[in-house]
Amino acid sequence: DIVMTQSPASLSVSLGGRATINCKSSQDVFYSSYKNYLAWYQHKPGQPPKLLISWASSRESGVPDRFSGSGSGTDFTLTITSLQAEDVAVYYCQQYYTTPGTFGQGTKVEI
Amino acid sequence: EVQLLESGGGLVQPGGSLRLSCAASGFIFGNYAMTWVRQGPGKGLEWVTAISANADSTFFADSVKGRFIISRDNSKNTLFLQVHSLGAEDTAIYYCAKNNAGWLTPLDYWGQGTLVTVSS
Repeated sequence: DIVMTQSPASLSVSLGGRATINCKSSQDVFYSSYKNYLAWYQHKPGQPPKLLISWASSRESGVPDRFSGSGSGTDFTLTITSLQAEDVAVYYCQQYYTTPGTFGQGTKVEI
Repeated sequence: EVQLLESGGGLVQPGGSLRLSCAASGFIFGNYAMTWVRQGPGKGLEWVTAISANADSTFFADSVKGRFIISRDNSKNTLFLQVHSLGAEDTAIYYCAKNNAGWLTPLDYWGQGTLVTVSS
């Protein structure tokens, strides 16, 4: 199985500040059509996870542009600029290059 | 509007079984792969199993292989998860999620989840 390793496990950011979350896969998740099979999800307590970013850098419809994804191959980053109170959540990366579609262990973002 | 509504969770004794359901609406159910993801208490998300759009392919995490069965009824827009030989480690919220297309695609919609508690 591909192991997804996120860092840090948690981080505290000031309102309006920048949060940077890293995700490293144990195998390359870049495949044909120049795509990285990597997604980012936001998970708030009492709610289901929400897809933020797919294909490593493609923001989902309705997701604020302060969320951005980057990286390729085995190293990926989720960046939240100008952090808002509603961004407090746990963030997960997931590879869907192969099954099982493993998740990182999560990064808790706090204010 | 895409909606996924899980049901069937509850308290079950160790070694017991349950059948979880996920009723889908708002999209052409038979065109998309579907996935179950779980979250144990205090733990992160764990990918459990997935099924192709026409049900001809299924995939399982090693932790549930041989104990869980995923299936779907495209005529009733419903996804199922039969869970057997349950242990304490299976206690979790079970989410059904819609794949964006095939099984190697992101999970673009999720249900609210159904809680399975394994305890004597």
